[in-house]
Amino acid sequence: EAGVTQFPSHSVIEKGQTVTLRCDPISGHDNLYWYRRVMGKEIKFLLHFVKESKQDESGMPNNRFLAERTGGTYSTLKVQPAELEDSGVYFCASSQDPGTTDTQYFGPGTRLTVL
Amino acid sequence: GQQLNQSPQSMFIQEGEDVSMNCTSSSIFNTWLWYKQDPGEGPVLLIALYKAGELTSNGRLTAQFGITRKDSFLNISASIPSDVGIYFCAGQALIYGNKRVFGAGTILRVKS
Repeated sequence: EAGVTQFPSHSVIEKGQTVTLRCDPISGHDNLYWYRRVMGKEIKFLLHFVKESKQDESGMPNNRFLAERTGGTYSTLKVQPAELEDSGVYFCASSQDPGTTDTQYFGPGTRLTVL
Repeated sequence: GQQLNQSPQSMFIQEGEDVSMNCTSSSIFNTWLWYKQDPGEGPVLLIALYKAGELTSNGRLTAQFGITRKDSFLNISASIPSDVGIYFCAGQALIYGNKRVFGAGTILRVKS
């Protein structure tokens, strides 16, 4: 069974440009999460989808970030316009059931560098 | 918001040595988790702890959920080269919206 996949693996863009990150969760997983790790810091929660609905988007930094999950399958995270502080590794994770006992399976991450 | 203080930040040890790392917080959690991230990969769950005082092992790994619910530790016995990576602790509680709160990670390097 395929794991969580993310595309691209790396992205280097200039400040002010737009970037769209994609996440394909494990098939059948209704829960999809986005996280971000700025270099050397903690992994921070961004948001949680249940199917196509945003269950919790309290971690989204600001309105330059837009996440979608059309049809409840793959998800995209768009940053527009990108700023220097948006650089980091963006992880996606998916799970079957939410809650404290669910195992979230992480993708390999997208490393975003904003110059 | 909730924060986890993970220590040490990095370790460089000899193969065969035991490793100990911990995670503390001023907040109470109902679940503690330990993850490992290999280079180029995403974090993978190693151990999950659900009860205060719980001690759980997974092969050479042992983790404990602190009695105060504010801390946890992870021990690795007889380290081997493939233990290299970044280890993250994470806490979770319903009162914080069930979001996982992660530490900044402990980088482990092993000399063979």
